[in-house]
Amino acid sequence: AQKVTQAQTEISVVEKEDVTLDCVYETRDTTYYLFWYKQPPSGELVFLIRRNSFDEQNEISGRYSWNFQKSTSSFNFTITASQVVDSAVYFCALSDGSGAGSYQLTFGKGTKLSVIP
Amino acid sequence: NAGVTQTPKFRILKIGQSMTLQCTQDMNHNYMYWYRQDPGMGLKLIYYSVGAGITDKGEVPNGYNVSRSTTEDFPLRLELAAPSQTSVYFCASRPGQGVSGYTFGSGTRLTVV
Repeated sequence: AQKVTQAQTEISVVEKEDVTLDCVYETRDTTYYLFWYKQPPSGELVFLIRRNSFDEQNEISGRYSWNFQKSTSSFNFTITASQVVDSAVYFCALSDGSGAGSYQLTFGKGTKLSVIP
Repeated sequence: NAGVTQTPKFRILKIGQSMTLQCTQDMNHNYMYWYRQDPGMGLKLIYYSVGAGITDKGEVPNGYNVSRSTTEDFPLRLELAAPSQTSVYFCASRPGQGVSGYTFGSGTRLTVV
């Protein structure tokens, strides 16, 4: 069975601080995909990134960066110089990628980030 | 606009009533999913479908039914609404096998009183 753990339930930071959201996953699949989604107060789910299990390169997109480490089964997300607009709930998710599965997403419980001006 | 359309956006049901949450996608995606999101929780899979005529249970299927008669539509049926079904429901779709992203609908907020 797949499992995603986001141990941080809520985080508050002051604007311009850096913040890292942790994600630890469990899977028996050798091929899988990891995702981060943002859910702003309006409620929709906004896709941020997808990573496959064979690509451990870190990725940077503007103020966002992701650190994928298979050795520790972690896929952490860092926001640099946080802004008030970053305030949201962030979800880490995992899907199988073998081709024989359903590709269903397993979500963590989310981390609520509050950026204080 | 292409995407996943969910209707209604909001609904209040009385205990014991029935309703169908509609989900339609116009991207010719094979895979479709229904998730529920309870307050302070992540999304949990209710049912999914890998193609027209094929459906299967997810993690929390009790109290729900689905059908997939066409590629485009994947309605979720609540037969006897219970307060425990108060939640936000998301429909999602993705293409076939291989590397792909998911497209989520905007959600249906359901309250059972």
